Amino acid sequence: DAGVIQSPRHEVTEMGQEVTLRCKPISGHNSLFWYRQTMMRGLELLIYFNNNVPIDDSGMPEDRFSAKMPNASFSTLKIQPSEPRDSAVYFCASSLDYSLPYGYTFGSGTRLTVV
Amino acid sequence: AQSVTQLGSHVSVSEGALVLLRCNYSSSVPPYLFWYVQYPNQGLQLLLKYTSAATLVKGINGFEAEFKKSETSFHLTKPSAHMSDAAEYFCAVILNSGYSTLTFGKGTMLLVSP
Repeated sequence: DAGVIQSPRHEVTEMGQEVTLRCKPISGHNSLFWYRQTMMRGLELLIYFNNNVPIDDSGMPEDRFSAKMPNASFSTLKIQPSEPRDSAVYFCASSLDYSLPYGYTFGSGTRLTVV
Repeated sequence: AQSVTQLGSHVSVSEGALVLLRCNYSSSVPPYLFWYVQYPNQGLQLLLKYTSAATLVKGINGFEAEFKKSETSFHLTKPSAHMSDAAEYFCAVILNSGYSTLTFGKGTMLLVSP
């Protein structure tokens, strides 16, 4: 298994631009999670899906953030418009099912820099 | 609700010395507990997990952790540190009843000197 695949690995964009981060979960995993990691706040859960349906998006910081999961093998996290304070590492993770207390498998992350 | 507290944002040891990274949890129901490791510019990798079976859990790379309910702790140890152990370590908790999400501590950076 190739694991959780995220793209791009690095993204540098100008303030005000739209940014789209992508994630392919492990095949057979029903739940997908988006986390953000910063020095100040550590790892924060932004949103998670189960069977492609968003379950809880209360961690999404603002309306500028949106996430979709159109099918079981693909999810996107979009920031529009981007701001310098959005600079962080964004991780996608997947698990068998969030109804089960299993650990998550993480992707390598996308390092976003907004200038 | 659940949470974990990791004591010490940085821990420094010499190569060959004992590694001890501390984690205390708070949970309204019995928890499952995890330790993850993050090497520079990489994602999080699962080291070990406690799922209510044996209280002493062995993981990869010679690490182990012991679940102590009376102390609400799940400290991570390794008898002898290697230079390659230098990384950031995260303790995490999830409710064993399911339908909850993994909550992480702030992380502890382990520094290993020769």
